[in-house]
Amino acid sequence: DAGVIQSPRHEVTEMGQEVTLRCKPISGHNSLFWYRQTMMRGLELLIYFNNNVPIDDSGMPEDRFSAKMPNASFSTLKIQPSEPRDSAVYFCASSGQAGGGIEQYFGPGTRLTVT
Amino acid sequence: TQLLEQSPQFLSIQEGENLTVYCNSSSVFSSLQWYRQEPGEGPVLLVTVVTGGEVKKLKRLTFQFGDARKDSSLHITAAQPGDTGLYLCAGARTNAGKSTFGDGTTLTVKP
Repeated sequence: DAGVIQSPRHEVTEMGQEVTLRCKPISGHNSLFWYRQTMMRGLELLIYFNNNVPIDDSGMPEDRFSAKMPNASFSTLKIQPSEPRDSAVYFCASSGQAGGGIEQYFGPGTRLTVT
Repeated sequence: TQLLEQSPQFLSIQEGENLTVYCNSSSVFSSLQWYRQEPGEGPVLLVTVVTGGEVKKLKRLTFQFGDARKDSSLHITAAQPGDTGLYLCAGARTNAGKSTFGDGTTLTVKP
């Protein structure tokens, strides 16, 4: 299995521009999570989907952030307009919700820099 | 409110030493995971513990879940430079659908 795939790996953009991050979860996994990681705030859950349906978006910072999962093999996280404080590493993770706990498999992340 | 507190925040040791890092909470979890994250990569799942008092071993790493399922520890024997990284614990409550992550322990093992 290829694991969780994220693109792009690095994104540099100017303040005010739209940014779209992409994720392909592991085939067969039914839960998908979007996280943001910074030195100051650690790993923060932004939103998660179960069977393509958004379940909890309470971690989304504000209306500038939106996420979609049109099918079981693809999800996007969009920031519009972007701001310098959005600079962070964004991770996508998927889980098969196997018995015994929520074991998540993370992608390599997208490092976003907003200037 | 941080539900999971990890300690120490930073740890720097010499190769060959033993160490223990902790993950504590006032909440009960149905399961707890440990992950290791290396620079420039995503966290990688190491282990899941689900039963109070459970002990799991992964080569030189020993994981323990507290009897009350509120805390966990990770012990590394004879640490090696390859153990360097950020160690994260994550707890899941019954039927929660998501996990809560601690802030992590950054371990540096010097050759």
